[in-house]
Amino acid sequence: NAGVMQNPRHLVRRRGQEARLRCSPMKGHSHVYWYRQLPEEGLKFMVYLQKENIIDESGMPKERFSAEFPKEGPSILRIQQVVRGDSAAYFCASSLGQTRVNTEAFFGQGTRLTVV
Amino acid sequence: AQSVAQPEDQVNVAEGNPLTVKCTYSVSGNPYLFWYVQYPNRGLQFLLKYITGDNLVKGSYGFEAEFNKSQTSFHLKKPSALVSDSALYFCAGGSQGNLIFGKGTKLSVKP
Repeated sequence: NAGVMQNPRHLVRRRGQEARLRCSPMKGHSHVYWYRQLPEEGLKFMVYLQKENIIDESGMPKERFSAEFPKEGPSILRIQQVVRGDSAAYFCASSLGQTRVNTEAFFGQGTRLTVV
Repeated sequence: AQSVAQPEDQVNVAEGNPLTVKCTYSVSGNPYLFWYVQYPNRGLQFLLKYITGDNLVKGSYGFEAEFNKSQTSFHLKKPSALVSDSALYFCAGGSQGNLIFGKGTKLSVKP
C-alpha cells in the first residue's frame, strides 16, 4: 500500500496563475481531507470530501478555492488567481471512514506552494 | 468554538530524560483526540489516538498520552527521549467530524 500520495511536492506559481494540487488516497479509502499549514498557525482544516461529494467545505475560502474528488482519479485542490498569501504547505489525508468513527486519517507528504 | 491548544512552541529535552508535550482541548460532546508527528520534509504520521476507554493510550515509538477529562488535557509523554524523536508534534481533536489541529510543538532532544 503506497500510502497517501500528493503531487507535486513543490509548486511555484506567479501571482494570478492557477495552482492544481493532487491527492491520491490510500487504497480503499473513500474519505479525503485537505489541510493548509501556515507557519504560525499550524494545520487548518479546509475541506472534507467523499467520492463525488463535498461533505464539509467550512474551512475553504469563499473565493478562488475549489476541491473535487471524482469517481475515478485523485482528489484535486484548485486555487485560481493565486496570491502571495496562498503560499503554504497543503496536506491531504484519507481515511476509511469519518475520522469521528474511530478511524485515523493518514496524511500525505504535502505540497509546498510558493507564490512569487 | 472548538479548539486545540499546544501552549509550548518548543520543548527541549536531554536524551534519556522523560518528555512531555502538552495539549489542551475545548471540544463539545465526547472528544476524540490524536497525536501526529511530522519529521522535516515529511507528511504527518499517526502516533496514537483516544476515542473511548482507558485514559492512558499507548502508541507508536514508545509514546503514550493520558486523557484527562477534568483538565481537558491530552499530554503526550515518553519515559526516555531519543535524539531521533526530534520533530514537530501536532495534537488534534474534534467531536463532530473534522479534526482541529494545534499549532504544533517542536521537540528538540539533545544528546
